[in-house]
Amino acid sequence: AQSVTQLGSHVSVSEGALVLLRCNYSSSVPPYLFWYVQYPNQGLQLLLKYTSAATLVKGINGFEAEFKKSETSFHLTKPSAHMSDAAEYFCAVGARGATNKLIFGTGTLLAVQP
Amino acid sequence: NAGVTQTPKFQVLKTGQSMTLQCAQDMNHNSMYWYRQDPGMGLRLIYYSASEGTTDKGEVPNGYNVSRLNKREFSLRLESAAPSQTSVYFCASSVPQGKGYQETQYFGPGTRLLVL
Repeated sequence: AQSVTQLGSHVSVSEGALVLLRCNYSSSVPPYLFWYVQYPNQGLQLLLKYTSAATLVKGINGFEAEFKKSETSFHLTKPSAHMSDAAEYFCAVGARGATNKLIFGTGTLLAVQP
Repeated sequence: NAGVTQTPKFQVLKTGQSMTLQCAQDMNHNSMYWYRQDPGMGLRLIYYSASEGTTDKGEVPNGYNVSRLNKREFSLRLESAAPSQTSVYFCASSVPQGKGYQETQYFGPGTRLLVL
């Protein structure tokens, strides 16, 4: 069965520092991978998605993620954190054989310190 | 274009009461979903509907029923609410990207439900 694991339920960085949020996936077939962001008291918003076209995927708000098959990872990065990046981030993998189903990780709450 | 809308935004119920959560999308999407979000557990799929007139169980369907009223609307009903159903409920919708391609899901703002 497919799954995703997000390492670190809470991550804290200083404003201007590198943001690195980790996601590892388990899939026996080439996966579709997504990162969503949830700001306080809001729904989930798509940040970026990997669909096998390119291993480095650029998303909104300066975020990007790199698909590494050898490491089964899809970590999310941003070179310089901004206070407005404080939110919860979810990694998700497309369910095998069901292109309309996603399996979500447990989320990582990002805090940005001034 | 409002995207995915949900009502109500917040609800308090007593154990045993019933209620229906409403969801509508104006993006002409085929598929619609109901998730619940609990601390430390991410989002778990309750039910989904691949098209008008069809519904299927997700990971945690017990205690819930759904109705795909038309292409736009997908409601979630709690017949007899329990404290374990205290959660944040999200509706989402998606459209096919092409054969074999994963659909991108778009989410509503959520309904916060407290069952006492």
